Amino acid sequence: EADIYQTPRYLVIGTGKKITLECSQTMGHDKMYWYQQDPGMELHLIHYSYGVNSTEKGDLSSESTVSRIRTEHFPLTLESARPSHTSQYLCASSESLGAGVGTGELFFGEGSRLTVL
Amino acid sequence: AQTVTQSQPEMSVQEAETVTLSCTYDTSENNYYLFWYKQPPSRQMILVIRQEAYKQQNATENRFSVNFQKAAKSFSLKISDSQLGDTAMYFCAFLGHFGNEKLTFGTGTRLTIIP
Repeated sequence: EADIYQTPRYLVIGTGKKITLECSQTMGHDKMYWYQQDPGMELHLIHYSYGVNSTEKGDLSSESTVSRIRTEHFPLTLESARPSHTSQYLCASSESLGAGVGTGELFFGEGSRLTVL
Repeated sequence: AQTVTQSQPEMSVQEAETVTLSCTYDTSENNYYLFWYKQPPSRQMILVIRQEAYKQQNATENRFSVNFQKAAKSFSLKISDSQLGDTAMYFCAFLGHFGNEKLTFGTGTRLTIIP
């Protein structure tokens, strides 16, 4: 199994609450990603990071923010949750191809399923 | 920009039969990587198989094999002797060798293995 962990697995909260989804990996990967996925649907990249202090917005616009202060940690925060944020959020990491050992494979966490009432 | 197309939203097959999932992509690059990922119901997404574009030989992993046609930009996945545990969403993905190294995913194919 991949060494990438997401918490919480399930979260039900009310509108307007601030939430942080945690993601940690122990593989020393430079690259980390957040995807948003409605059940059984396609994945949408919302944030990615190429290393410490590097964060970029993905292809799908999102009101969430991320930070990368440590290599192993890539949390996602929603300052004020709304019902439209209800979805599953997948965190992933990979070794850089430029490092010479990377294969391009993404390792995924188990996901955080968020429901905003 | 690269695009990945999976034209089969859903498929079903009897257990022990063989099934092929289709994937086409569009790119101007010559060196790249292609992947098939499996997402079982309520479980973690995992890599099924990987192909490097400069390798002509099709990748195989036990019951899983690909038919990589570089000129046609086609990358289909064949599952032989299908098992109930193969029931999952399958995503085809493209990764360019240069640039920002972001995977481009297809929209997925929901595969159901029927007992």
